[in-house]
Amino acid sequence: EADIYQTPRYLVIGTGKKITLECSQTMGHDKMYWYQQDPGMELHLIHYSYGVNSTEKGDLSSESTVSRIRTEHFPLTLESARPSHTSQYLCASSATGFSGNTIYFGEGSWLTVV
Amino acid sequence: GENVEQHPSTLSVQEGDSAVIKCTYSDSASNYFPWYKQELGKGPQLIIDIRSNVGEKKDQRIAVTLNKTAKHFSLHITETQPEDSAVYFCAASYDKVIFGPGTSLSVIP
Repeated sequence: EADIYQTPRYLVIGTGKKITLECSQTMGHDKMYWYQQDPGMELHLIHYSYGVNSTEKGDLSSESTVSRIRTEHFPLTLESARPSHTSQYLCASSATGFSGNTIYFGEGSWLTVV
Repeated sequence: GENVEQHPSTLSVQEGDSAVIKCTYSDSASNYFPWYKQELGKGPQLIIDIRSNVGEKKDQRIAVTLNKTAKHFSLHITETQPEDSAVYFCAASYDKVIFGPGTSLSVIP
């Protein structure tokens, strides 16, 4: 079982609030990712990082930002939440090497903006 | 750009029957093909994977087949059980991992 943790699991906040979704992994993986997913729908990559101080935007444009100051930590921040940000956010990680691109996901953070 | 197609988008089977989900990929350099199962309210979990030097892999009731020439790969679930009900995602990878859009499988008791 993968050791990747997301908090909070569920969050309901008002429009205009700033929120940070936390993600930590204990596997020493150099690559980390954030996906956005509506229930039962496609996985959309919104941010990824291949190492400390390296972050890139994914395929789906997002108003969120990320940082990677420590290998194990990859938080996602929304400066001013809107109802359109309501979704599930999945953090994931993978290692470089022979084990290749096996991506391990966290349990997800469900965000509702009212 | 790279693309992974997945069919069907929804699938209903009777308990005990087999289920097959098919994927095609566009990047001929892809060499790793994982399958994920996502249960309601949870993150996707890896259930089986296959690398390009292998044509078939089996793990109990699930199996994957790969046809690199045709750029097709499939997931086979035999003797389906209600707990197999979930959304299944295929993926193809060389350096980036590209996910298919998912298949919602319902197993009817």
